[in-house]
Amino acid sequence: KNQVEQSPQSLIILEGKNCTLQCNYTVSPFSNLRWYKQDTGRGPVSLTIMTFSENTKSNGRYTATLDADTKQSSLHITASQLSDSASYICVVKGNNRLAFGKGNQVVVIP
Amino acid sequence: GAVVSQHPSWVICKSGTSVKIECRSLDFQATTMFWYRQFPKQSLMLMATSNEGSKATYEQGVEKDKFLINHASLTLSTLTVTSAHPEDSSFYICSARAQGSSRNTGELFFGEGSRLTVL
Repeated sequence: KNQVEQSPQSLIILEGKNCTLQCNYTVSPFSNLRWYKQDTGRGPVSLTIMTFSENTKSNGRYTATLDADTKQSSLHITASQLSDSASYICVVKGNNRLAFGKGNQVVVIP
Repeated sequence: GAVVSQHPSWVICKSGTSVKIECRSLDFQATTMFWYRQFPKQSLMLMATSNEGSKATYEQGVEKDKFLINHASLTLSTLTVTSAHPEDSSFYICSARAQGSSRNTGELFFGEGSRLTVL
C-alpha cells in the first residue's frame, strides 16, 4: 500500500473556481511534506514545504494545510486559472526517504 | 532560483542501443542527486541515489548494470540506459538538493525530465 494517498485522482473545474486537493499519509517518523506542481511532460516544481509545526502555508493562490496529528494535508487553489491545469504531487519525507503520491490531475476549463 | 537541467529532453532510439541522460545543477553544488522514472498517470518512482565520487545506491528491483549512473562532479550526474528495450520507454527525471541546505527543510529541485522512447 502506498504511503501517500491523494484524492481525488482527477478533477475538472471551471476557470475562476476554487478547488481543494487532499493528501493522506502514513509515513512515520515525519520530517516534512511538500506539494509539487507538474505540468505534462515537465519536471515537478515546488509549491510549498511544510514541517511538523506548520499548519498553513501559502504561495500565491496556492494554500497548503497540514494536520500532523491526523496525517492529512490539503492544497487549496483559489480562483483557478487555465495554467493551473497540471498534476499536483504530494511528497512526504520520513526516515530520510521521500514517499510520492500519484498526484491529483487538475484540468481547468474556460 | 536554483535550477536543475536535464539533457536531452526527449530521445528516440532503436532497441539494443544505449542512451545517456545528463542531469546538471546549474547554480549550486549537489553531492547527491536522485533518478526517477515515471509512467503515465503514475507517481515518480525512485530508481537510484547518485553520490558524487562513489557508487550509486539502487532501489530494490532496479538493475544497476542496466541503468548505469555516474556522478563525476558536484554538478553532473548521468544515467545511461544500456541495451534499451521498448519496456524502458518512460519519463526519466532527476533531482538534486543544494549542498549545505537544512536536512529537514532543504529544497529539492527537479529537472525538466527526459522522455525516452525505444522503438
